[in-house]
Amino acid sequence: QVQLVESGGGVVQPGGSLRLSCSASGFTFSNFGMHWVRQAPGKGLEWVTFIRYDGIYIKNAGSVKGRFTISRDNSKNTLYLQMNSLRPEDTAVYYCARVPNYSGSYATIDYWGQGILVTVSS
Amino acid sequence: QSVLTQPPSESGTPGQRVTISCSGSSSNIEINSVNWYQQLPGTAPKLLIYTNNQRPSGVPDRFSGSKSGTSASLAISGLQFEDEADYYCAAWDDSLNGVVFGGGTKLTVL
Repeated sequence: QVQLVESGGGVVQPGGSLRLSCSASGFTFSNFGMHWVRQAPGKGLEWVTFIRYDGIYIKNAGSVKGRFTISRDNSKNTLYLQMNSLRPEDTAVYYCARVPNYSGSYATIDYWGQGILVTVSS
Repeated sequence: QSVLTQPPSESGTPGQRVTISCSGSSSNIEINSVNWYQQLPGTAPKLLIYTNNQRPSGVPDRFSGSKSGTSASLAISGLQFEDEADYYCAAWDDSLNGVVFGGGTKLTVL
């Protein structure tokens, strides 16, 4: 079965850095596009960034452009999110999520990880 | 302020039919397909509807989606207590070059 497991979250000071990982299993990771989506405490879903299956096509939300970098290692079935210059408003649960091949839209997400909490606070 | 606009809350009684609206623009809903997600308390979102009106395997046919112009709707018929959750619409936005979500609608089953 498809599993997405995030790790690397925690508490970090403003201006600090953190790298999230998402370990994928149960499917051929190299065939699927992947997102990071976040949810601040008590708030709605916010898209963060997307990477195509080959790692070449990448899109970022304006709120994280220049600070966050998505990458993937298809040989390790792992998705990453490098977060630099963190701000208190980046505090959220971060989900890694898979785009299915059947919908034709990058906005379709068929599997989500359980989420990992990132807290930016002094 | 979300790019896609949803009502913050809706409610209904068991057995009723409720609809949740999602309003967008010419750069998202009008030209791209709409997806709907259900998020139960304390859990990750779940895909409910994709490509405007398609249900993934396992989603009951009580859930249906539609789209017209720059708006979309999610309808839930035969409302059940287990449907109490937050619902989000989402679409790709060609101007922003990314996924846009609605602010979410909290559905209460009275």
